[in-house]
Amino acid sequence: KQEVTQIPAALSVPEGENLVLNCSFTDSAIYNLQWFRQDPGKGLTSLLLIQSSQREQTSGRLNASLDKSSGRSTLYIAASQPGDSATYLCAVLSGGYNKLIFGAGTRLAVHP
Amino acid sequence: NAGVMQNPRHLVRRRGQEARLRCSPMKGHSHVYWYRQLPEEGLKFMVYLQKENIIDESGMPKERFSAEFPKEGPSILRIQQVVRGDSAAYFCASSPRSPVEDEQYFGPGTRLTVT
Repeated sequence: KQEVTQIPAALSVPEGENLVLNCSFTDSAIYNLQWFRQDPGKGLTSLLLIQSSQREQTSGRLNASLDKSSGRSTLYIAASQPGDSATYLCAVLSGGYNKLIFGAGTRLAVHP
Repeated sequence: NAGVMQNPRHLVRRRGQEARLRCSPMKGHSHVYWYRQLPEEGLKFMVYLQKENIIDESGMPKERFSAEFPKEGPSILRIQQVVRGDSAAYFCASSPRSPVEDEQYFGPGTRLTVT
């Protein structure tokens, strides 16, 4: 059974810091991995999608890496800003390739 | 191209009533997914539908819950005889092709409160 774990559960940092959010999954038989952002009371915004054959994806200040064999992904946020404050969710496409399996998220607060 | 639309955004029901949640996928998307987010928990897959067909309902409770995606109109998630434990945020996502081929785009969610 696929399980996704995100560490840390919460993070509070001053503006300008570079951050690393961690995601691990128990079954390496995934098709892809997605990182999402969720603002309080809102829906999910897709940030980055990494196919299982890829090792990383970049978008602006965000960089996500994938090590399928070890069951890990990291989301790197450069030069954090208060507007980055949100919950970051990691999800893998697994279980017969029909369903996204989500981690519980990392709640990020960036203070000025 | 408008995003995935869900309505209502907030729904309050008394125990025993029925809740109907609607999801209009993005234009050109024929694959729809429903997820549930319980308070302080992560999102959990419920059901995957393609036009007029249920592909995978392994995450949906066997009783009181049903889902459909008719040829015309939005996808509907129906919860009969709601209980307090059904209080959650229900998210719909859509994709143009299968989840292996395309990423899923999420709607803003419907927050169901059962009193």
